[in-house]
Amino acid sequence: DTGVSQDPRHKITKRGQNVTFRCDPISEHNRLYWYRQTLGQGPEFLTYFQNEAQLEKSRLLSDRFSAERPKGSFSTLEIQRTEQGDSAMYLCASSLGVTLWETQYFGPGTRLLVL
Amino acid sequence: AQTVTQSQPEMSVQEAETVTLSCTYDTSENNYYLFWYKQPPSRQMILVIRQEAYKQQNATENRFSVNFQKAAKSFSLKISDSQLGDTAMYFCAFMAYNSGGSNYKLTFGKGTLLTVNP
Repeated sequence: DTGVSQDPRHKITKRGQNVTFRCDPISEHNRLYWYRQTLGQGPEFLTYFQNEAQLEKSRLLSDRFSAERPKGSFSTLEIQRTEQGDSAMYLCASSLGVTLWETQYFGPGTRLLVL
Repeated sequence: AQTVTQSQPEMSVQEAETVTLSCTYDTSENNYYLFWYKQPPSRQMILVIRQEAYKQQNATENRFSVNFQKAAKSFSLKISDSQLGDTAMYFCAFMAYNSGGSNYKLTFGKGTLLTVNP
């Protein structure tokens, strides 16, 4: 197992276009998280899944954003009608989903640039 | 709402010396965990050390240790015998939990860029 993977690693798009990112968690991990990191800031929580159920969404996640985790495996994050303010690093993390707290293992991120 | 403050945007240290990174937090929760994460340049974020708030004893992991002052809501990270590979952005993070379980989300500070000089 090579850890959490994300695809693509970089994405450049024009304002108004839709983009979709994929995250593959560590195989036995039940919890999956999405964070957004802008330049000079720490990651900010967007949403998380327990298996296929999306249990919490941040107010940062506007209606242009949608996340799914079909079958409780990989997850996708889609941004519709992208805006320049969406430019950021989008981080995915996963954890085992057994104990009260657990280490969240992060992926390398997808860096989005909206022109 | 919880907030995490890291007041040192950048720090530098000579190889083999000791450095301390500061972190303060604000919360009304009684039960929580605190973490330090490391993000090397162009690499993935990894956990350095964690502290359960109910434990008085400070956590240690090899060259990394914390000074947890619950009353002051302070959680500093000490790196001993600094190595070139410690050069990274360091983030302090907070996770609250209640009787219903953890909300699982991490709240991060803005980070401190640590440079270890040869």
